[in-house]
Amino acid sequence: EDKVVQSPLSLVVHEGDTVTLNCSYEVTNFRSLLWYKQEKKAPTFLFMLTSSGIEKKSGRLSSILDKKELSSILNITATQTGDSAIYLCAVEAVQGAQKLVFGQGTRLTINP
Amino acid sequence: DTEVTQTPKHLVMGMTNKKSLKCEQHMGHRAMYWYKQKAKKPPELMFVYSYEKLSINESVPSRFSPECPNSSLLNLHLHALQPEDSALYLCASSTFWAGEQYFGPGTRLTVT
Repeated sequence: EDKVVQSPLSLVVHEGDTVTLNCSYEVTNFRSLLWYKQEKKAPTFLFMLTSSGIEKKSGRLSSILDKKELSSILNITATQTGDSAIYLCAVEAVQGAQKLVFGQGTRLTINP
Repeated sequence: DTEVTQTPKHLVMGMTNKKSLKCEQHMGHRAMYWYKQKAKKPPELMFVYSYEKLSINESVPSRFSPECPNSSLLNLHLHALQPEDSALYLCASSTFWAGEQYFGPGTRLTVT
């Protein structure tokens, strides 16, 4: 059974700190790994990582895929209170095309 | 335009009611999804439509009935729901083979 595990489940830091969120997966025929940010309502897409694109960066956020270790990290530098959210990792398998398996999420709280 | 819209935003219904949730996208995506999300849990896939045909049903009870009238619209018909069906119902869409799914804001459903 495909499985995605995120750690930590909860993290509280001060504004300006740098955080690293972890995601590990066990998926048959991996296709892609995605990161989403969820605040009050819908998850919003952050990054998609594949075998041909193992590192992505956007502003203060960056993500790396380690295919050997079957894991990914999401880094956020110079955190702001607006970064407070649940960060979801999801993995897509080839034979489960269109089916994302989500991890439990990491609840990140940034205190001023 | 990367917007998926959902109506209504909130819905309260009794266990004997019949209601429908609606989802719309105009990104030309040919895959559309329904997810159910309980508090502090990740989204759980319910249904996937590909090219207006049901391609995945995650063993969802028959009191939930999906419908895809055309490539832009997705409905979820609800009948004889139980209080435990109360949740946030999310719609998403993607290009057929891409893992990058765009989520709508969700419908917060309460069954009384």
